[in-house]
Amino acid sequence: DIVMTQSPDSLAVSLGERATINCKSSQTVLHYSNNRRYLAWYQHKPGQPPKLLLDWASMRQSGVPDRFSGSGSGTDFTLTISSLQAEDVAVYYCQQYYSSPYTFGQGTKLEIK
Amino acid sequence: QVQLQESGPGLVKPSETLSLTCTVSGGSMNNYYWAWIRLPPGKGLEWIGYMFYRGSSNYNPSLKSRVSMSVDTSKPQFSLKLTSVTAADTAVYYCARVADAAFYFDFWGPGTLVTVSS
Repeated sequence: DIVMTQSPDSLAVSLGERATINCKSSQTVLHYSNNRRYLAWYQHKPGQPPKLLLDWASMRQSGVPDRFSGSGSGTDFTLTISSLQAEDVAVYYCQQYYSSPYTFGQGTKLEIK
Repeated sequence: QVQLQESGPGLVKPSETLSLTCTVSGGSMNNYYWAWIRLPPGKGLEWIGYMFYRGSSNYNPSLKSRVSMSVDTSKPQFSLKLTSVTAADTAVYYCARVADAAFYFDFWGPGTLVTVSS
């Protein structure tokens, strides 16, 4: 199984500041046949289902604000919120879909400082 | 826009079978895979398995011996059964649609809490 490890476990950032969440996979999730990174990011707010933010490591879903961006290589990925807003308070998960079983990181809890 | 809704008992006794159903609305089940994912208290998300609308399936090996799924496109619903449950199976259970491009999850139900307790 591919193990996904996120850091930090929790993060407090001031409103308007940058938030950075890291995700590391135990093996590559870059498919060399198509040069695509098989990684998604989700936002999970209390009482709601997880919401897909990004797929292919950096492709924002329709309606996701452009302050959310994703980057990374075969095993190390980053979710960046460029200017934190109050509504961004949530737990964020990365997920690899390179191979089954499809696995998630343990989550990073983002709060306002 | 596709909407999903889980239903089923919120309390299951140890050693019994957990059964949940997900009703799909706002879109067709055809040509998609449909998945179950759970969130145990204090832990991260865990993919349980998925089923294609035509019936083929893939389960997480960690649960494979206890899991079965089914789909009924006429209702349209898909279902999860998890046998021989223990307290470790207590979780919020989500049903979700697998994206058409690859195995991530683009639409989710609101989730249902299932507690395993006598």
